Amino acid sequence: ELKVEQNPLFLSMQEGKNYTIYCNYSTTSDRLYWYRQDPGKSLESLFVLLSNGAVKQEGRLMASLDTKARLSTLHITAAVHDLSATYFCAVTSFIQGAQKLVFGQGTRLTINP
Amino acid sequence: DGGITQSPKYLFRKEGQNVTLSCEQNLNHDAMYWYRQDPGQGLRLIYYSQIVNDFQKGDIAEGYSVSREKKESFPLTVTSAQKNPTAFYLCASSMTGGNRYTFGSGTRLTVV
Repeated sequence: ELKVEQNPLFLSMQEGKNYTIYCNYSTTSDRLYWYRQDPGKSLESLFVLLSNGAVKQEGRLMASLDTKARLSTLHITAAVHDLSATYFCAVTSFIQGAQKLVFGQGTRLTINP
Repeated sequence: DGGITQSPKYLFRKEGQNVTLSCEQNLNHDAMYWYRQDPGQGLRLIYYSQIVNDFQKGDIAEGYSVSREKKESFPLTVTSAQKNPTAFYLCASSMTGGNRYTFGSGTRLTVV
């Protein structure tokens, strides 16, 4: 059974600092997703990583995927308050021809001025 | 524009009552999913469907039921057997074998 674990679960940081959120998963998969969720809202898609070594960047966020280590990272550069949210990673699991998305627990990121 | 519509946005359920959450998509996606999110928690899969008239249980299906009579629609019924239904419910869809998932805006269910 596929399990997805994120760390840290809570992260409080100051504006201007850099930090990394880690996402480990337990079985082979080549599709990893990062989402952002604001309080009371739905999920906003940030990145889709589809191959080993994939790296994608959008603004101050950069995501990477190492399928051999079963690890993805979401790196935040020079954080700003607007990036405060909960970030989820998710991995596609295939069972008997059916695919489903399995989520990590989420990382609640608070960026203080 | 295509997308997923969930309704209602807020729903209140009395003890012992069944309620149905609506999820409709016009993206021509084959697969649809229901997730439950508790406060401060991740998303857990309730049910999913890859094609019309077929669906599978997810990790927390007890106390829930679904139907998939049309490709566009995947309603979720929260039955009286679900003892703790207060949560945020998200519906999603994707193409079979696709690598993009679209999420609805969610329904917040509260037991009163």
